[in-house]
Amino acid sequence: DGGITQSPKYLFRKEGQNVTLSCEQNLNHDAMYWYRQDPGQGLRLIYYSQIVNDFQKGDIAEGYSVSREKKESFPLTVTSAQKNPTAFYLCASSIEGAGGGYNEQFFGPGTRLTVL
Amino acid sequence: GQNIDQPTEMTATEGAIVQINCTYQTSGFNGLFWYQQHAGEAPTFLSYNVLDGLEEKGRFSSFLSRSKGYSYLLLKELQMKDSASYLCAPMDSNYQLIWGAGTKLIIKP
Repeated sequence: DGGITQSPKYLFRKEGQNVTLSCEQNLNHDAMYWYRQDPGQGLRLIYYSQIVNDFQKGDIAEGYSVSREKKESFPLTVTSAQKNPTAFYLCASSIEGAGGGYNEQFFGPGTRLTVL
Repeated sequence: GQNIDQPTEMTATEGAIVQINCTYQTSGFNGLFWYQQHAGEAPTFLSYNVLDGLEEKGRFSSFLSRSKGYSYLLLKELQMKDSASYLCAPMDSNYQLIWGAGTKLIIKP
């Protein structure tokens, strides 16, 4: 069964601690993305990666870090520098289209992070 | 700048038809996506339009007018399970999706 997995579904951390959210896909997709969603707001792009060992900052990268050592995996670390980390975090992936662009993004189930 | 405008909330009756509008401004354009998101869950893909006109897929249809920066999602024969948020997301010149806050659709019996 192909898909994107994120774990855990719920995560609680104390303020000042770094935390890493996992994202794995077995769809053989080239591109992977991390978004943050807050109540009443649209998805905001944190980081994205179009190829292994390369990634770019999105609109709200401050306080976050990522790595892309394998095509299948794109973990996100929420550092203590992120001022308001409590949110719903969504990982997505997409395949490169025939014309060089990207097709629809498929999402994992999300991780709800609460910082106490 | 880049901007998406959708109604915040809409209410419709089971069995009826509802149209959710979206206007957008983006830097370049590589098509527009509609996603459905149930509360507490991830978005799921509904439709993609890159050319002007109507795309029909079962009970759902999506329309695009590139010159007007306008799209709509049409849902027919509404069912209670259609209660969800509907997200309009055009793709800009860098192939990044620009997300609106979504329209929360409430279906009443």
